[in-house]
Amino acid sequence: QQKVQQSPESLIVPEGGMASLNCTSSDRNVDYFWWYRQHSGKSPKMLMSIFSNGEKEEGRFTVHLNKASLHTSLHIRDSQPSDSALYLCAASPLSNYNVLYFGSGTKLTVEP
Amino acid sequence: EAGVTQSPRYAVLQEGQAVSFWCDPISGHDTLYWYQQPRDQGPQLLVYFRDEAVIDNSQLPSDRFSAVRPKGTNSTLKIQSAKQGDTATYLCASSLSSYEQYFGPGTRLTVL
Repeated sequence: QQKVQQSPESLIVPEGGMASLNCTSSDRNVDYFWWYRQHSGKSPKMLMSIFSNGEKEEGRFTVHLNKASLHTSLHIRDSQPSDSALYLCAASPLSNYNVLYFGSGTKLTVEP
Repeated sequence: EAGVTQSPRYAVLQEGQAVSFWCDPISGHDTLYWYQQPRDQGPQLLVYFRDEAVIDNSQLPSDRFSAVRPKGTNSTLKIQSAKQGDTATYLCASSLSSYEQYFGPGTRLTVL
């Protein structure tokens, strides 16, 4: 059983639009969430991580976390074609931040 | 600073053949991870090391997979008697303790 579920599976947004991606963990032992971006044929690269309830913003990217529901979301404003990629959410158990449970990802396409 | 390097980049095998993957982590990173990423899925942790010690290999199919990191630097992942279900990209990552994991380019394995 997968510990991390992501939605939607795929998403198409116009250039300049807002992309919203969701991630929920079914494992109540997770404590830390990570967002990675993987361009086609490339390796995953970390975008942002979040541990505390609330919101964290870095440039065009904003991450929200609700620890009670173990739900996190990633929002990309002013989306660019270069943002087209597979977005992976991962969660770590509170006992061990070395372990990442990845979801299957959301494939984002930004159309010019 | 050089990133994580892996070789080979591609491998094509017949069922029953053996293959080894090699990983050179970022200099100074004490923790090294091996992941399996099937097509269109997120990475799944197989095994990870701190220095030369195996910390968790619970997801490694031990009857055919093995991994070593003898000097706490480079690492080798080996598959004995590959099966079609092993077709995936094998990613190596490294980190300094439990901080951000940096991924290598991966080895894309196809088992015919």
